Amino acid sequence: DVKVTQSSRYLVKRTGEKVFLECVQDMDHENMFWYRQDPGLGLRLIYFSYDVKMKEKGDIPEGYSVSREKKERFSLILESASTNQTSMYLCASSYISGNEQFFGPGTRLTVL
Amino acid sequence: LAKTTQPISMDSYEGQEVNITCSHNNIATNDYITWYQQFPSQGPRFIIQGYKTKVTNEVASLFIPADRKSSTLSLPRVSLSDTAVYYCLAPRGSASKIIFGSGTRLSIRP
Repeated sequence: DVKVTQSSRYLVKRTGEKVFLECVQDMDHENMFWYRQDPGLGLRLIYFSYDVKMKEKGDIPEGYSVSREKKERFSLILESASTNQTSMYLCASSYISGNEQFFGPGTRLTVL
Repeated sequence: LAKTTQPISMDSYEGQEVNITCSHNNIATNDYITWYQQFPSQGPRFIIQGYKTKVTNEVASLFIPADRKSSTLSLPRVSLSDTAVYYCLAPRGSASKIIFGSGTRLSIRP
């Protein structure tokens, strides 16, 4: 079974803190994704990576950065957390573009 | 950007067939149509994917007309456990253009 794991299920941070969300997949997938999900807005793509050290902006990259130093790991970084970044963050991976995405359980981040 | 339109919510009863239609007027020639299911507090889960005509698996069927501007997800004989949000995706080329949208909240009643 494909497994996508995220470092935390729940996280509480303060405004201005630097936040790292980690995602690891064990299926040697090329593509990895970070989404955020908010009520009424569905899932919105933040960043996407199609190879190690390669990344592409999604719809809402502002306030976020990403890092992919190894194929299996994709990190989302909030350089200076703000209250409007309180959300559910979902990581996903897929073998090739357009193919089935496998999602992690999500991290519910609260920024106070 | 490719955008899909689907009903915000639907209600049905156990044992009924449920059809959820999605429109994707701007779908590109080489794009597939993909449907996901999401339960509360979980990430979305792939249900089915198709390019044209009809695709069937153990969970659902997907009907796509010749013009491919819409698709219909069909869930046969639904149960309470099918209560979830269903997303239709029709990305344009690059994976960075994937848009999940708000999905359809399906509620199944006894």
